[in-house]
Parts: sequence; structure tokens; C-alpha cells
Amino acid sequence: DVKVTQSSRYLVKRTGEKVFLECVQDMDHENMFWYRQDPGLGLRLIYFSYDVKMKEKGDIPEGYSVSREKKERFSLILESASTNQTSMYLCASSLNPDRVGTGELFFGEGSRLTVL
Amino acid sequence: DQQVKQNSPSLSVQEGRISILNCDYTNSMFDYFLWYKKYPAEGPTFLISISSIKDKNEDGRFTVFLNKSAKHLSLHIVPSQPGDSAVYFCAASEDDYKLSFGAGTTVTVRA
Repeated sequence: DVKVTQSSRYLVKRTGEKVFLECVQDMDHENMFWYRQDPGLGLRLIYFSYDVKMKEKGDIPEGYSVSREKKERFSLILESASTNQTSMYLCASSLNPDRVGTGELFFGEGSRLTVL
Repeated sequence: DQQVKQNSPSLSVQEGRISILNCDYTNSMFDYFLWYKKYPAEGPTFLISISSIKDKNEDGRFTVFLNKSAKHLSLHIVPSQPGDSAVYFCAASEDDYKLSFGAGTTVTVRA
């Protein structure tokens, strides 16, 4: 079974703190993604990566950065957390090297971040 | 501006009856559509997909219908079972790596 593991299920941080969300997948997938899920807005893509050290902005990259130093690991970084970044963060990976649309995304269980 | 819209936030259905979930999209460049299912405290899981060259795809109890002229797709679950109670997300992609998701529909199957 494909497994996508997110390091923290629940985090509480203070405004201005630096936050790291870690994601590891064990199926040698090329593509990795970070989404955030908010009520009424669905899942919105923050960043994605289709190779080691490669990254592409999604629809809402402002306030976030990412790091992909190894194929299996994709980190989301909030340089200075703000209250509007309180959300559920979902990491995903996919195998298809050409188009995510022709393959399925495998999601982690999510990280619930609260910024006070 | 959301390009994929699920206008019904919730749906309640009797066990054994049909569940119909609807999804509309605005981007005519979308050519691949997917449905994901999400239980509480779990990540979404892939359910079924359809390419724009088809108008129907069936997998067991789940059927997805695509109406390109109306920019509309629907997911039919027949018969509905209690284990189908979950949040369902519609998603779509054009020729890149990105999936655009709808806001989700919470389905409750009543015994």
C-alpha cells in the first residue's frame, strides 16, 4: 500500500513562529503536493514538486515555501505564521510522471495547524 | 475564483437509495475529472475518474457522468450504504500537474 505520512497531526503555534510541516512517501513517487483544506473552499494547492529540488507555485503560495531535498520527502514551511494560516494541511503524492490528471493522488492524513 | 463548484454542501439519503452528487466547472480547458472521498481524520482517497473523451464511467456502485456542453459532472452511488457517509470532493485538471478541487459535499446515509 502507498503510504504518505505527515509528521504532525495537530500543531498549535503562535503568530510569527516558523513552522515546518514534514511529509514522507514510501512509493518512490515523482510528484508531491501540499494542499490546504478550509470549510467552503475545498482543497487549494499551495506548492508542488515533480522532482528533487524542483518546486512550482500552486494557487495560493503566498506566505509559504517548500523544500524537496530527497525524493521521498517534501516539506512545507511557514516562515512567519499568521492566524489566517490556521487550516488543515494535506500532503499528497502521485506516480504519473506526465500528468497528475491521468493518475491518482495519494494523500496523507493531514496536519491540523492552529495559529494563535 | 473557484473553477470547480459543488453547490450542495450536504446530502442525506436513505440506505439502499441512489445518491447523486453534482459538480460544475467553469474552465473549458479541463479534460480530466476525478472524485475523491474523505472520512473524518483521514486524507482523501481516490474514488473514480473520467476523461473528457467519455461521457460515462462506471466502477461497481459508482458511476460518473460528464456533460461537457453544460460543464457539469455528477457522481451516482447505487445503492447507497452506511459506509458511503463521507465528504466527496470533485476535482478537475487541464494539461498540467494541478488538480482544482470543489468545496465538497457531505453525504449522510440513513439506516
